[in-house]
Amino acid sequence: GQQLNQSPQSMFIQEGEDVSMNCTSSSIFNTWLWYKQDPGEGPVLLIALYKAGELTSNGRLTAQFGITRKDSFLNISASIPSDVGIYFCAGRSGNQFYFGTGTSLTVIP
Amino acid sequence: SAVISQKPSRDICQRGTSLTIQCQVDSQVTMMFWYRQQPGQSLTLIATANQGSEATYESGFVIDKFPISRPNLTFSTLTVSNMSPEDSSIYLCSDSTGTTAFFGQGTRLTVV
Repeated sequence: GQQLNQSPQSMFIQEGEDVSMNCTSSSIFNTWLWYKQDPGEGPVLLIALYKAGELTSNGRLTAQFGITRKDSFLNISASIPSDVGIYFCAGRSGNQFYFGTGTSLTVIP
Repeated sequence: SAVISQKPSRDICQRGTSLTIQCQVDSQVTMMFWYRQQPGQSLTLIATANQGSEATYESGFVIDKFPISRPNLTFSTLTVSNMSPEDSSIYLCSDSTGTTAFFGQGTRLTVV
């Protein structure tokens, strides 16, 4: 199946710093989603984007649906230790969802 | 969003045996999916579980190895058959509203 290119693969940051990660695809998507996965858990939906150019926030998280519909980014401001985890983007095409390769985030107190 | 309960949450199985994973959703949903997540990897779609008909499998996955049932709009099972150590993964059940997807907590399977 199709897989989205997500970068960076991993990040090590100091508590309080801002974080930015992005996802690109060769295909157009109708929806972009961002998930966080903690160890031993399933992915939890953070933000859903439904329109090209849409910018949506959820607390300290902000995500944008790229104008070309082939990319999306997620920003986390003022990171805290509980932001640690793996972040996945996902694009929807029809009834199917395709997932990014993941960004592992480590926050150093 | 619907609440998705998956069980077992983890299991250690002998090679050659089979394990059935159950997925229960607390409301009727149109679409249910099964994914595999190998250690340190992203999610790979195994199949779409269709209510009242055979599941739709992705390339590389076959019914004999991963039989799926979906007897109603709130329940599905995935069986991992004739297991080998290569089947050690997290298996995730998901439902979809059509525009977003939600996940169960996953089943961590170790085959020894």
